[in-house]
Amino acid sequence: LAKTTQPISMDSYEGQEVNITCSHNNIATNDYITWYQQFPSQGPRFIIQGYKTKVTNEVASLFIPADRKSSTLSLPRVSLSDTAVYYCLVGDTGTASKLTFGTGTRLQVTL
Amino acid sequence: EAQVTQNPRYLITVTGKKLTVTCSQNMNHEYMSWYRQDPGLGLRQIYYSMNVEVTDKGDVPEGYKVSRKEKRNFPLILESPSPNQTSLYFCASSPGLGGGGYEQYFGPGTRLTVT
Repeated sequence: LAKTTQPISMDSYEGQEVNITCSHNNIATNDYITWYQQFPSQGPRFIIQGYKTKVTNEVASLFIPADRKSSTLSLPRVSLSDTAVYYCLVGDTGTASKLTFGTGTRLQVTL
Repeated sequence: EAQVTQNPRYLITVTGKKLTVTCSQNMNHEYMSWYRQDPGLGLRQIYYSMNVEVTDKGDVPEGYKVSRKEKRNFPLILESPSPNQTSLYFCASSPGLGGGGYEQYFGPGTRLTVT
């Protein structure tokens, strides 16, 4: 089971690009990397998922280097509403196993 | 609308009084799980299930029970609640066997207080 490590917190100003890195040194060959966003007292919400290289959707990009031992969630031009906790999760599609979210990264966006 | 529902949303109870938190999903998902969230500790998985009648322990299973008699339902049972089980609980579901490889859909949460 791949354990993940993220910074506890980050601060940013509105309009800046924010990059949050997650370390997952023992990621397995079949594992995918998924990022979630959570607002206070709400359930986490899926942001983006990838296996290798780069994935982009309408809200974020995910960069995964060739060795896949880390990944970086990139949020372009953040706004106050992006203030939340961000979690990365590593797991595969075919093996039912327990999931460990970790403590996440608390992003604070200010004016 | 695809969703995961939990009931109740808020519950205050006393030590030792058995309670059940229900969870239901309407997406025909295989994988379901329960998490608890406490300040500074992130999300910790309690139990998970990959199919009907198949469940397994997560990271913090002590003091909890689950059952999966139907694919859509995954209740969380606290036989004898204690104050250290005061927490915010989330149910989640995802398609396929491997919950980590697919998008997980989370319920709205149940805030439990045990006095």
